[in-house]
Amino acid sequence: QVQLQQSGPGLVKPSQTLSLTCAISGDSVSSNSAAWNWIRQSPSRGLEWLGRTYYRSKWYNDYAVSVKSRITINPDTSKNQFSLQLNSVTPEDTAVYYCARERGSPQYWYFDLWGRGTLVTVSS
Amino acid sequence: DIQMTQSPSSLSASVGDRVTITCQASQDISNYLNWYQQKPGKAPKLLIYDASNLETGVPSRFSGSGSGTDFTFTISSLQPEDIATYYCQQYDNLPTFGPGTKVDIK
Repeated sequence: QVQLQQSGPGLVKPSQTLSLTCAISGDSVSSNSAAWNWIRQSPSRGLEWLGRTYYRSKWYNDYAVSVKSRITINPDTSKNQFSLQLNSVTPEDTAVYYCARERGSPQYWYFDLWGRGTLVTVSS
Repeated sequence: DIQMTQSPSSLSASVGDRVTITCQASQDISNYLNWYQQKPGKAPKLLIYDASNLETGVPSRFSGSGSGTDFTFTISSLQPEDIATYYCQQYDNLPTFGPGTKVDIK
């Protein structure tokens, strides 16, 4: 059974770095038919896609414009997982963070598998 | 970014009612649209992909239609377990989600 297991701290101080990891079981972070995403949800911003990493003969990343200057998503093939780092956080970054698998074909793509979510609060 | 809007933002309906939600994109996205259901405390669940394709295992009372900028999501006969918030999501460009429509029972 394919699963995504999230881990990381639930409290981060303002100006520091938010770090989360998503461990994959039953699939591979190096899959040529999937992309590995981070999405967050807050009452003020709704569901907000943050970025993804994927392998198509080499590694690629895409990031949302809203966080592009502060975000890094990295694959870790040795542990079959991927991570999120968001720098210089403010209370506006308080949200539930989800990792998600994106799958499909050349014609369509969708998020078909999600982690359980991690509530991250930015507060001193 | 492609902006997505949904209407209504919330609705109440009776069990057995037909429920319709609309989603509009700020530019033509062909049929690159998905629909998700989210229950409180849970991650979103894929229901419809590519505007009108039912995900495996999803009841046939759920359906989607549309292309270009205007899309519709329908529950043909509302059931108590359908109480949730529903989101559209485009993938023509970098993914973006609609603001959601909260559905509850009258």
